[in-house]
Amino acid sequence: AQRVTQPEKLLSVFKGAPVELKCNYSYSGSPELFWYVQYSRQRLQLLLRHISRESIKGFTADLNKGETSFHLKKPFAQEEDSAMYYCAPRFQKLVFGTGTRLLVSP
Amino acid sequence: GAGVSQSPRYKVAKRGQDVALRCDPISGHVSLFWYQQALGQGPEFLTYFQNEAQLDKSGLPSDRFFAERPEGSVSTLKIQRTQQEDSAVYLCASTPEGQISYEQYFGPGTRLTVT
Repeated sequence: AQRVTQPEKLLSVFKGAPVELKCNYSYSGSPELFWYVQYSRQRLQLLLRHISRESIKGFTADLNKGETSFHLKKPFAQEEDSAMYYCAPRFQKLVFGTGTRLLVSP
Repeated sequence: GAGVSQSPRYKVAKRGQDVALRCDPISGHVSLFWYQQALGQGPEFLTYFQNEAQLDKSGLPSDRFFAERPEGSVSTLKIQRTQQEDSAVYLCASTPEGQISYEQYFGPGTRLTVT
């Protein structure tokens, strides 16, 4: 079965600290990988996709095929990064994880 | 445009009632998706349209759920004989091309509460 796991429901850090939001998936094949974000009172939106190999708002995500992981990282968290983050592999359709709430305190 | 819109934003239904949720995708977007998001969970895929064709409805939880997009633009998700377990936020998303891999643009959602 296709599954995606985000083990942390809540990640709380101080401003300037490094952040890593974990995502593991189990798929037979090579899915496309996305991170979506939902800021307070805003709608769900794409943060980044693996295929683009881009850095958005200082975030990067590295695919580790051996570990089937796609962790989201940022070296220095900012208060405005506080939001709900969803990992979403796509094999035939998007499958969202349960999400991690990132709280960045001043 | 103004983005994907959904109406109503909030709906309270008594168990057994039928409800209809509307999605207006971004003008010209070919693909349209419906998701169900229960409290504390991520969105779960319900169904997918490419223009007016419903290409995947594997996520619809029961035959009480029905979706349509008759003219390839506005879509309606209908739930018959609502049950308490149907309480969730229903999200609609659209993409400009006929491929699921393109970025999905989400609407604000409709929060359905079944009492």
